[in-house]
Amino acid sequence: KAGVTQTPRYLIKTRGQQVTLSCSPISGHRSVSWYQQTPGQGLQFLFEYFSETQRNKGNFPGRFSGRQFSNSRSEMNVSTLELGDSALYLCASSGGGDEKLFFGSGTQLSVL
Amino acid sequence: GQQVMQIPQYQHVQEGEDFTTYCNSSTTLSNIQWYKQRPGGHPVFLIQLVKSGEVKKQKRLTFQFGEAKKNSSLHITATQTTDVGTYFCAGPVQGAQKLVFGQGTRLTINP
Repeated sequence: KAGVTQTPRYLIKTRGQQVTLSCSPISGHRSVSWYQQTPGQGLQFLFEYFSETQRNKGNFPGRFSGRQFSNSRSEMNVSTLELGDSALYLCASSGGGDEKLFFGSGTQLSVL
Repeated sequence: GQQVMQIPQYQHVQEGEDFTTYCNSSTTLSNIQWYKQRPGGHPVFLIQLVKSGEVKKQKRLTFQFGEAKKNSSLHITATQTTDVGTYFCAGPVQGAQKLVFGQGTRLTINP
């Protein structure tokens, strides 16, 4: 069974640009969560989607948004990038009534 | 909001020494999960504890869930270089489908 796949693996953007990150969950998993990881702040919850519906959102500005498609694949978008958005963005899926998360390898975003 | 605190933030040990990380939640948890993230890697699920006072072992790793279900610990006996990484605890937020993670304990080992 394939794991959680995130693309791209690395991304370099400049301030003011926007970026879209992609996540393909484990087959059969319908819940996809996104986390931002920085050295100083640890793992911060962004949002969680289930069956194309956002069920929860973390304390991030509206520049951070996401969506989930009917095949459970998810994307997150960050608009008007700021230097502080530089981080590792992790996607995780879960399913089958199990709460444990399976993480992808992440997208390392650098904002210059 | 619900907070999960983890200490210590960093721990450096000699290979063969024991290691313990502690996790405390501001609220009672229905369960607690532990993850390990190797340097340059992503968090990987280790274990989930559900019952009050539960103790689970995985080889040299011992996980405990407190009686009040607000704290937990991970103890590694006789560390090996393969144990290097950051260990996170995480608890579900009541009424919400999300996990709150502790800040993690970064373990480094002197071989």
